[in-house]
Amino acid sequence: NAGVTQTPKFRILKIGQSMTLQCTQDMNHNYMYWYRQDPGMGLKLIYYSVGAGITDKGEVPNGYNVSRSTTEDFPLRLELAAPSQTSVYFCASSMTSGGVGTQYFGPGTRLLVL
Amino acid sequence: EDKVVQSPLSLVVHEGDTVTLNCSYEVTNFRSLLWYKQEKKAPTFLFMLTSSGIEKKSGRLSSILDKKELFSILNITATQTGDSAIYLCAVDNGGATNKLIFGTGTLLAVQP
Repeated sequence: NAGVTQTPKFRILKIGQSMTLQCTQDMNHNYMYWYRQDPGMGLKLIYYSVGAGITDKGEVPNGYNVSRSTTEDFPLRLELAAPSQTSVYFCASSMTSGGVGTQYFGPGTRLLVL
Repeated sequence: EDKVVQSPLSLVVHEGDTVTLNCSYEVTNFRSLLWYKQEKKAPTFLFMLTSSGIEKKSGRLSSILDKKELFSILNITATQTGDSAIYLCAVDNGGATNKLIFGTGTLLAVQP
């Protein structure tokens, strides 16, 4: 049981490039989340999903897209990378449906846009 | 606007000291408050609090929630250098999606 895994661990992008951050969980969790964490700041929710085929915007969705074709995978897509997207990205998942639940986090992807 | 505020922003102590970290919140609906410890990578879960006045304890760490005054504290006794981390407080503001609102965290540095 690997929990929540993320790839890559680190990436440098040029302005305007695109990339996909991968997230996979093997806990059969329905709920998955993408956060970004800027230096000295808390985590900001980008997008979340309550199940396969269902996604919704979080607090800071601009410049990102997501899809959820399976329960296990929740990739985050950056189409036109900008320096403001330099951050550490965390994927998380949780089990409960509407009840009290704990989110479990992946190890993070550090992204640098130059 | 829902918000979670943590204090202090940073704290430097010596091994053996006791520290208290604070978290206050303003949310339209409250379901639970969670504490996480973040070292070099992902936040790891410490406590989840849903009821006022009931202390959660794990070794040298403990936490309590006051739903009337809208705050929680995280206590660490006999601190060790391994306690050095960012401590994040988050509130689940209800709804069917378990979305969390995070504070900015408290950076704790424990010196030998």
